[in-house]
Amino acid sequence: EVQLVESGGGLVQPGGSLRLSCAASGFTFSSYWMHWVRQAPGKGLVWVSRINSDGSGTNYADSVKGRFTISRDNAKNTLYLQMNSLRAEDTAVYYCAGNYNGFDYWGQGTLVTVSS
Amino acid sequence: DIVVTQSPDSLAVSLGERATISCKSSQSVLYSSNNKNYLAWYQQKAGQPPKLLIYLASTRESGVPDRFSGSGSGTDFTLTISSLLAEDVAVYYCQQYYTTPYTFGQGTKLEIK
Repeated sequence: EVQLVESGGGLVQPGGSLRLSCAASGFTFSSYWMHWVRQAPGKGLVWVSRINSDGSGTNYADSVKGRFTISRDNAKNTLYLQMNSLRAEDTAVYYCAGNYNGFDYWGQGTLVTVSS
Repeated sequence: DIVVTQSPDSLAVSLGERATISCKSSQSVLYSSNNKNYLAWYQQKAGQPPKLLIYLASTRESGVPDRFSGSGSGTDFTLTISSLLAEDVAVYYCQQYYTTPYTFGQGTKLEIK
């Protein structure tokens, strides 16, 4: 059974940092491009970042470029998102997703709340 | 950036009737070298993550019921649910994955009339 389990979310003050993790199982993690997608409360889906299968290539949404860093450890089957200089508008559920056809696999998400 | 626009924003359809959602992209998502459209459809039920329904504009993901179908090419796409069931109540999103940033439509909320 495919599983993606996010962790690391929580309440953080503006300007603070968090690192999200996404533990993968049930599929060949090292063969998949991986993404982070976020969803603010009551809003739609917004793509945040992607990383290719071996970790050598990354892309970011303009809204997070220079503040967020995506990475992966294929030996540990884990995807990461380092989030720095957090803003109130970064408040959202953050999903990791595995990309083979479309975004085939999704985690349940982890909530990040940026507030003082 | 490619802007993806869905219509309508919300839709109420009777059980057993057809539901149709439109998705338009601001530029073509057809990759000329392989003639494939990089457009996907997702279903998101309340409190759940999105679920992939359709990829490459018209290919049904494994396990997705055949009442769901996708069509279109270039910049204009459609998701059709041929005979609505109560379990199809959800928000539906289209997404282009032709180029980053991989943009989603704003979503269409589907309800039972």
